Amino acid sequence: EIVMTQSPATLSVSPGERATLSCRASQSVSSNLAWYQQKPGQAPRLLIYGASTRAAGIPARFSGSGSGTEFTLTISSLQSEDFAVYYCQQYNNWPSFGQGTKLEIK
Amino acid sequence: QVQLQQSGPGLVKPSQTLSLTCAVSGDSVSGNSATWNWIRQSPSRGLEWLGRTYYRSKWYNDYALSVQSRITINPDTSKNQFSLQLNSVTPEDTAVYYCARVPTGTTREGLRLVYHYSGMDVWGQGTTVTVSS
Repeated sequence: EIVMTQSPATLSVSPGERATLSCRASQSVSSNLAWYQQKPGQAPRLLIYGASTRAAGIPARFSGSGSGTEFTLTISSLQSEDFAVYYCQQYNNWPSFGQGTKLEIK
Repeated sequence: QVQLQQSGPGLVKPSQTLSLTCAVSGDSVSGNSATWNWIRQSPSRGLEWLGRTYYRSKWYNDYALSVQSRITINPDTSKNQFSLQLNSVTPEDTAVYYCARVPTGTTREGLRLVYHYSGMDVWGQGTTVTVSS
């Protein structure tokens, strides 16, 4: 099983600032990596797949990078609606998720 | 627009079987352009993929090792839906259960079709299932 580790667990950022979230895989997943946003009471929402491709309707302020075992999600200028929990997920093997990063307002 | 609509009981007794259904609209469960997945989420286990069903000239199922001995995912092509059955449940199976679609692309390598997976782009609304007597 591929273990996904996200850091930090909680990130406090001011609106308008940049947020950088990290995800590490226990072994290479190539570019088979997705990012999701989840708000309370809602299902996760796909933001990024293929490590760097935005899903349909996702604003350009969301960007993903990385390959192999190290990945980053960057939100360039935080809007109020961006404060949520973010998960990475690999699909190079049986799918597995990270434990999440909570992005909170500073 | 693809939508997934979940249904099923929110309370299951220990040792019994958890059964949920995910009705698909806007896509076909028997097409070869997606896999159909079940995922659950709990405070203790986070997001956990449980398994999937998909059609590639015949039906296939893949299950997570953690539940492999207790899980069945079945397609129902007549109703364009798929179901989850989890046997012998315990309070540890208490969670929010989701169904989700993974779109699948294909490329040809010689005579072989290679399938490329993606992220889970459409999710059901979630069903909170509590295992309790």
